Amino acid sequence: AQKITQTQPGMFVQEKEAVTLDCTYDTSDQSYGLFWYKQPSSGEMIFLIYQGSYDEQNATEGRYSLNFQKARKSANLVISASQLGDSAMYFCAMREGYADKLIFGTGTRLQVFP
Amino acid sequence: DSGVTQTPKHLITATGQRVTLRCSPRSGDLSVYWYQQSLDQGLQFLIQYYNGEERAKGNILERFSAQQFPDLHSELNLSSLELGDSALYFCASSADLTGGADGYTFGSGTRLTVV
Repeated sequence: AQKITQTQPGMFVQEKEAVTLDCTYDTSDQSYGLFWYKQPSSGEMIFLIYQGSYDEQNATEGRYSLNFQKARKSANLVISASQLGDSAMYFCAMREGYADKLIFGTGTRLQVFP
Repeated sequence: DSGVTQTPKHLITATGQRVTLRCSPRSGDLSVYWYQQSLDQGLQFLIQYYNGEERAKGNILERFSAQQFPDLHSELNLSSLELGDSALYFCASSADLTGGADGYTFGSGTRLTVV
């Protein structure tokens, strides 16, 4: 069963605007972790932000914030003040409980235009 | 530089051949994970090693095998290669078993093309 769902195959945003990338997840565990990764065209996977299921505050890292709505099982990534260098694929991922692997969504391709 | 080193960066080989992909984890990390990224399957977990021992297995074919050596580097062996094995293979490492807030550090990947 699909455990991480990213429903937006592609998104466009103008430079300096904010953009939200959607992610919903499915788990019966109480303890889990949610991650966002950026994959530019060069191919590497860059860790952006992490949210633990017991964290009461939404995670923030610079221009990245994670809008965590536990009851709705959503973990949307918000990028503020978009830059041209933000153009990339973005993947949402989840680690369940004490499981060791990350399960990835299908990704969202973000394109930032001037 | 993420600290996770993967070699080679690119590999082109023929069907039926065998290749070895190498990964050196970030200094101090005991866990190594292998992932396959293909256009049709997305990012798939293959296998995990922790301090030399196989820890978890995912969608890894029987033609594929891996190991982690005492110096903690890991190798992924792919044999009897088929066209469908063409993909980007990532290695990731984490300090412990659960890869917490620091996440899993990925290498830059090995792009395998089977012709």
